[in-house]
Amino acid sequence: AQRVTQPEKLLSVFKGAPVELKCNYSYSGSPELFWYVQYSRQRLQLLLRHISRESIKGFTADLNKGETSFHLKKPFAQEEDSAMYYCARPWNNNDMRFGAGTRLTVKP
Amino acid sequence: DSGVTQTPKHLITATGQRVTLRCSPRSGDLSVYWYQQSLDQGLQFLIQYYNGEERAKGNILERFSAQQFPDLHSELNLSSLELGDSALYFCASSVEAGGFNEQFFGPGTRLTVL
Repeated sequence: AQRVTQPEKLLSVFKGAPVELKCNYSYSGSPELFWYVQYSRQRLQLLLRHISRESIKGFTADLNKGETSFHLKKPFAQEEDSAMYYCARPWNNNDMRFGAGTRLTVKP
Repeated sequence: DSGVTQTPKHLITATGQRVTLRCSPRSGDLSVYWYQQSLDQGLQFLIQYYNGEERAKGNILERFSAQQFPDLHSELNLSSLELGDSALYFCASSVEAGGFNEQFFGPGTRLTVL
């Protein structure tokens, strides 16, 4: 069963435009959700997590339980935001399950 | 480097062969996770160990096995390799076993099966 769904494999926007990377999850209680990012030639790393309710590098993500979504948003995309983004959630209290990922390209 | 380390960086081998990938977690982390990343499958969870014991299994083939040693480093063994096993294999570590913990990733091992 797909536990985290990222419907867009590729997303391309122009610099300065708003960006939204979609993530939907399979409902199971109160989920804890994460966004991980992998910049070119760098390691996969945590970008932000739902419970922190913080903005990292201008990105925010709001948990919408009604829509079972945790979309990642930024009002003004920058070229350095180009990366692979993964939505993830814990599963069975042990491991993390990742979505298929969305490759964001921010064009100049 | 106190972060997660993985060796080798690259591995090229032939079908039918067996390889071992190695991972050393961050200092102080007890949990190790293995993932497979391929172009069409994204990041697939394979298996997790915590303090030497298997804790969770994901989409890991029977031809694959792993273990975590007393010094907490882990090895992923891939046998009877097939072309489709070509992928990037990541190791990650976290302090505790729970999925709520931030995972710290290694640089990955790129496996090419010819």
